[in-house]
Amino acid sequence: KQEVTQIPAALSVPEGENLVLNCSFTDSAIYNLQWFRQDPGKGLTSLLLIQSSQREQTSGRLNASLDKSSGRSTLYIAASQPGDSATYLCAVKSQRGGSEKLVFGKGTKLTVNP
Amino acid sequence: DAGVIQSPRHEVTEMGQEVTLRCKPISGHNSLFWYRQTMMRGLELLIYFNNNVPIDDSGMPEDRFSAKMPNASFSTLKIQPSEPRDSAVYFCASSTGPGRGDQETQYFGPGTRLLVL
Repeated sequence: KQEVTQIPAALSVPEGENLVLNCSFTDSAIYNLQWFRQDPGKGLTSLLLIQSSQREQTSGRLNASLDKSSGRSTLYIAASQPGDSATYLCAVKSQRGGSEKLVFGKGTKLTVNP
Repeated sequence: DAGVIQSPRHEVTEMGQEVTLRCKPISGHNSLFWYRQTMMRGLELLIYFNNNVPIDDSGMPEDRFSAKMPNASFSTLKIQPSEPRDSAVYFCASSTGPGRGDQETQYFGPGTRLLVL
């Protein structure tokens, strides 16, 4: 059974700092890995999707990497801003157990202080 | 497009009452997902449909929960009877469907916050 773990559960940083969020998964047989953002009281918004054949994806100040063999992904946020404060969730789409299912980590709650 | 629409946004009910949550997926999307989010267990998939047909309901906690998708633009998740432990945020999501397993993502609605007293 696929399990996804995110460390740390919460992170507080001053504005302008670069930071890294970590995600690990137990089964490397995946179609893709995605990073989502969730604001309080809101739904999830997809930030980056890395296909299993890719190593990284970039969008603006965000960079996500994938090491499928070791079951790890990182989300790098450059020059953090207070508007980046949110919960970030990692999810994998496993090849086993149905091609549509996403398995989520519990998220990292990020606070960027002005 | 208005995105995935869920109603109600908030629901407070008493134990034993029937609760019905509603979802309208993005037009043209063929897959629809129901998730439940709690502090303890995080985000869990309850059931998903492809072309209005339930594909995997292994996440449905028990017989008190049922989901239907009568057509491509509407789905319901029903809890009868409701219990305090059902209190959670319920999300609906949709996607273009299978066939692009490594590329497609899911689009989430704003969720329904359910409190069962």
